Amino acid sequence: NAGVTQTPKFRVLKTGQSMTLLCAQDMNHEYMYWYRQDPGMGLRLIHYSVGEGTTAKGEVPDGYNVSRLKKQNFLLGLESAAPSQTSVYFCASGLFGPAYNSPLHFGNGTRLTVT
Amino acid sequence: KNQVEQSPQSLIILEGKNCTLQCNYTVSPFSNLRWYKQDTGRGPVSLTIMTFSENTKSNGRYTATLDADTKQSSLHITASQLSDSASYICVVSANIGSQGNLIFGKGTKLSVKP
Repeated sequence: NAGVTQTPKFRVLKTGQSMTLLCAQDMNHEYMYWYRQDPGMGLRLIHYSVGEGTTAKGEVPDGYNVSRLKKQNFLLGLESAAPSQTSVYFCASGLFGPAYNSPLHFGNGTRLTVT
Repeated sequence: KNQVEQSPQSLIILEGKNCTLQCNYTVSPFSNLRWYKQDTGRGPVSLTIMTFSENTKSNGRYTATLDADTKQSSLHITASQLSDSASYICVVSANIGSQGNLIFGKGTKLSVKP
C-alpha cells in the first residue's frame, strides 16, 4: 500500500502562474483534506471533501480551488499564485470524519515557493 | 475561541532519557484528542487517539494521558531514541457541524542527542 501520495514534491512558481497539486490515496477513504503548514503555525485546513464529487471550504480557502472527480484523487489548484501561498501543502485522508476515532493519513507534502 | 496550546516549543534531551510534552486545549464540544509525530520533511503520522472516557493510551514507548476535566493532555516518551527527534503535534477534534473540526497545535520540536 502506498497510502497517500502527493505530486509534485517541490515546485517553484512565479507570481501569477497556475498549478495543480495532486493527491492520491489507495485506502478507499471517503474523507480527504488539503492543509497548509507555515512556520510557527499549526496546520490550517484549506478545503476538504466528504466523498466523491463533493468539496467544501475550510479555514483558509481563498486563492485555491479543489476537485474530487474520483474517490481516490483530490486535486488542489492555484489559479494565480501569490507569494503568500509559499508554504508546505499536505494532503490527508480518513475513513470517517474528525468526530470519530479515525486517524488521518498524511502524504509527505508539496513544498511550494512563489517568487 | 477553540485553541490548542503546546509546551514547550522545543526540547533537547539525551538519548535514553524520558520526557513529557504538554497540551492544553479550550475546545468545545470535545470529541477526541490526537497526537501526531512529524519527522522533518515528512507528513504527520498518528500516534494515539483518545476519547473523553480514556485517561491513558500507549503506543510502544509513547504514552498519552488525558484529563478532560482540566482540558490537559500529555505525551510521555520513555527511553528516548535518536529516531524520536521530530515535532509532536497535539490535535483536538471539536464536535461542530456535521463533520467535526480538527484544531491543530503548533507542535513541540524534540531533539534527542547522543
